[in-house]
Amino acid sequence: DAGVIQSPRHEVTEMGQEVTLRCKPISGHDYLFWYRQTMMRGLELLIYFNNNVPIDDSGMPEDRFSAKMPNASFSTLKIQPSEPRDSAVYFCASSGPGQSNTEAFFGQGTRLTVV
Amino acid sequence: LAKTTQPISMDSYEGQEVNITCSHNNIATNDYITWYQQFPSQGPRFIIQGYKTKVTNEVASLFIPADRKSSTLSLPRVSLSDTAVYYCLVGDIGFRGTDKLIFGTGTRLQVFP
Repeated sequence: DAGVIQSPRHEVTEMGQEVTLRCKPISGHDYLFWYRQTMMRGLELLIYFNNNVPIDDSGMPEDRFSAKMPNASFSTLKIQPSEPRDSAVYFCASSGPGQSNTEAFFGQGTRLTVV
Repeated sequence: LAKTTQPISMDSYEGQEVNITCSHNNIATNDYITWYQQFPSQGPRFIIQGYKTKVTNEVASLFIPADRKSSTLSLPRVSLSDTAVYYCLVGDIGFRGTDKLIFGTGTRLQVFP
């Protein structure tokens, strides 16, 4: 398996624009997590899904952020409208049955810069 | 949800053994202890996990005392490539209730030649 795949790797956008980050989890995994990492706040859990259903979105900073998982192999994190303070590295991770659910596999991340 | 406390940073030299201790005084009966490693510009990577006593793999050892209120990650004979941030997590398998995969501030390990 190629691991968790995120796209794009880098995104530069202007304030006010819509940004969509994409994630393909490891096949067979039933948990998917979205994180945001900044120097100031570290790794923050934004939302996680189990079997494509959002379980906890309490970490989503505000209504400008939304996440979907239309099927087991794809998830998106959307920011609309984007703001400079959204600049961060966004990670997607997945975890599967047969393993402890605290063993998650992370993607390479998407570095988002909002100017 | 069990909270973890780790040193913010540690320094070591190549070839030395490094021990990073994590405190988790409120650990619950169902909680496991997991350590992750993160290199710059990469996502965290699972290192080791345990419930009690000692666990060893090809990368590290994890020591957990009987009361499970702390744990120690031991890296034998570190090299420059072990320079990274190490995170201690405590969580229930299955994410029951409010348990989630929550990362603390981590310990920044710097290995010098």
